[in-house]
Amino acid sequence: GDSVTQMEGPVTLSEEAFLTINCTYTATGYPSPFWYVQYPGEGLQLLLKATKADDKGSNKGFEATYRKETTSFHLEKGSVQVSDSAVYFCALRGGTSGSRLTFGEGTQLTVNP
Amino acid sequence: DTGVSQNPRHKITKRGQNVTFRCDPISEHNRLYWYRQTLGQGPEFLTYFQNEAQLEKSRLLSDRFSAERPKGSFSTLEIQRTEQGDSAMYLCASSLAGRGSSYEQYFGPGTRLTVT
Repeated sequence: GDSVTQMEGPVTLSEEAFLTINCTYTATGYPSPFWYVQYPGEGLQLLLKATKADDKGSNKGFEATYRKETTSFHLEKGSVQVSDSAVYFCALRGGTSGSRLTFGEGTQLTVNP
Repeated sequence: DTGVSQNPRHKITKRGQNVTFRCDPISEHNRLYWYRQTLGQGPEFLTYFQNEAQLEKSRLLSDRFSAERPKGSFSTLEIQRTEQGDSAMYLCASSLAGRGSSYEQYFGPGTRLTVT
């Protein structure tokens, strides 16, 4: 079946630092990758997505490019804020997983002022 | 659009008891999903419905688990004879499937189950 591997956390950064959270996957067919974010005390929110190879998803200053050749969808942000502190999940839909989402284990990000 | 709602938000039960959770999806969404999330892990798929039909079940969904979506709107997830290993956050999500749809899944706040 499909699997998603995320960069291990936790990650601690200072405000305005550059963020990268790595995500790679194994899947067959034509999977679609997503990033979800879970702020403290809140539910999962869709952060960004891509639908085809080389698509770049972006939202709230975050970006991720769907690289089919490296089966990756790394999350980046040029300048993090304290309010970005949350758990970030990489997820995959499709491939052998059909319409279900397959999630990575999540990466806890803490941004200090 | 009021989002996906789940009730109750927290449930504490004793081992061996039955529990039932409810999920109300976004009103026009025809697909509804259940996931389970344990501490420090990503959500794991349990089952999903398209309208009232249950189309897929994970092998994680043992015989003690049953889900229904009788009228294609809200759904219930029942766990019979709860075990301590059932303690987790149970998440519901919904999406719109069909031609031209994005199939994006929107999640509710979850029901946290603690089995003592």
